[in-house]
Amino acid sequence: GDSVTQMEGPVTLSEEAFLTINCTYTATGYPSLFWYVQYPGEGLQLLLKATKADDKGSNKGFEATYRKETTSFHLEKGSVQVSDSAVYFCALSFYNAGNMLTFGGGTRLMVKP
Amino acid sequence: GAGVSQTPSNKVTEKGKYVELRCDPISGHTALYWYRQSLGQGPEFLIYFQGTGAADDSGLPNDRFFAVRPEGSVSTLKIQRTERGDSAVYLCASSKTGLAGNYNEQFFGPGTRLTVL
Repeated sequence: GDSVTQMEGPVTLSEEAFLTINCTYTATGYPSLFWYVQYPGEGLQLLLKATKADDKGSNKGFEATYRKETTSFHLEKGSVQVSDSAVYFCALSFYNAGNMLTFGGGTRLMVKP
Repeated sequence: GAGVSQTPSNKVTEKGKYVELRCDPISGHTALYWYRQSLGQGPEFLIYFQGTGAADDSGLPNDRFFAVRPEGSVSTLKIQRTERGDSAVYLCASSKTGLAGNYNEQFFGPGTRLTVL
């Protein structure tokens, strides 16, 4: 079946450091790809998405590019802030099959001042 | 506007008991999803409704789990004969539609934390 693998955390960075969180997927066909974020005490929120190969999703300074050849969707940010501390989930879905999301295990990011 | 709401926020029950978890989706959203998130893991899909009908229930772990959405709005997830392994956060999400050919963002509720003693 479909699956998503992302790097285990926690990832601990100093403020203004560069962030990469790796995400790879296994799927039959070409899914849509997502990054969701869960801030402390809050619900899951969509951070960014890409619906086809080579698309780049971006939001709040975060970016991820859909790489079909490597089946990857790595999350990057050039300069993290303390407020970015959260758990990040990579996910996929097929919009022609109900849009159910398949999530990775999550990566906790901690940013220190 | 109001987001997805779930009640109760916390539920503690004893092994073998029956529980109901409620989800109020965003008004006008026809698609509704239930997920389960165990500690330290990502959410796992349980069931998807399009309107009143369960379009896909392939994620339900066994026949102790059942969900309904009788009027196409509020949904209830029902768990019979609860087991300690059912302890998790149960998440509900809704979107404008889940129909083929359309992508619509899923909006998540805050979840219900179920603890089975």
